[in-house]
Amino acid sequence: DIQMTQSPSTLSASVGDRVTITCRASQSISSSLAWYQQKPGKAPKVLIYKASTLESGVPSRFSGGGSGTEFTLTISSLQPDDFATYYCQQHNSYPLTFGQGTKVEIK
Amino acid sequence: EVQLVESGGGLVQPGGSLRLSCAASGFTFSSYAMTWVRQAPGKGLEWVSGISTGDGSTYYADSVKGRFTISRDNSKNTLYLQMHSLRAEDAAVYYCAKDREGGIPDYFDCWGQGTLVAVSS
Repeated sequence: DIQMTQSPSTLSASVGDRVTITCRASQSISSSLAWYQQKPGKAPKVLIYKASTLESGVPSRFSGGGSGTEFTLTISSLQPDDFATYYCQQHNSYPLTFGQGTKVEIK
Repeated sequence: EVQLVESGGGLVQPGGSLRLSCAASGFTFSSYAMTWVRQAPGKGLEWVSGISTGDGSTYYADSVKGRFTISRDNSKNTLYLQMHSLRAEDAAVYYCAKDREGGIPDYFDCWGQGTLVAVSS
């Protein structure tokens, strides 16, 4: 199985900050990576798929990059609505696997 | 509007069985792969199982293989997850999710609200 490791686990930041979350795969997954945002008590919401394709309706301050084993999710200017937990997920092979999550907190 | 509504969760004893359902509406259900993802209380997301369109190929996480069975009834626009031999570690909110692209399960653009499964004696 492909293991997905996110860093950091928790991130404290202020409104307006540029924030980057990293996701590493235990083996190459090409560009088969999605990013989700989850708020407490709510279902996840897809932000990015195929590593860098922005889902329709998602603000352009979100961007994804990387390929192979290392990927990033960047929020260019953190907004109050962005405080949440973020998960990466590989969609290269089964079983599909998620990272452990990165909680973005208010500093 | 795309909508997924899970049901069937509840309290079950260790070793027991439960069947979850996910009623879909607002899209052509038969054209999209579907998936179950779970989240234990205070924990992260865990992909559980997926089912493709067409031949209905199924895929499972190692942790549930041989105990859980995913199926779909395209005539009823409903996804199912039959769970047997339930363990304490299966306790979680179970979400059904629609594949964004169709075909085989890969990434998901619409999720239900989740149904809670508790396993305890």
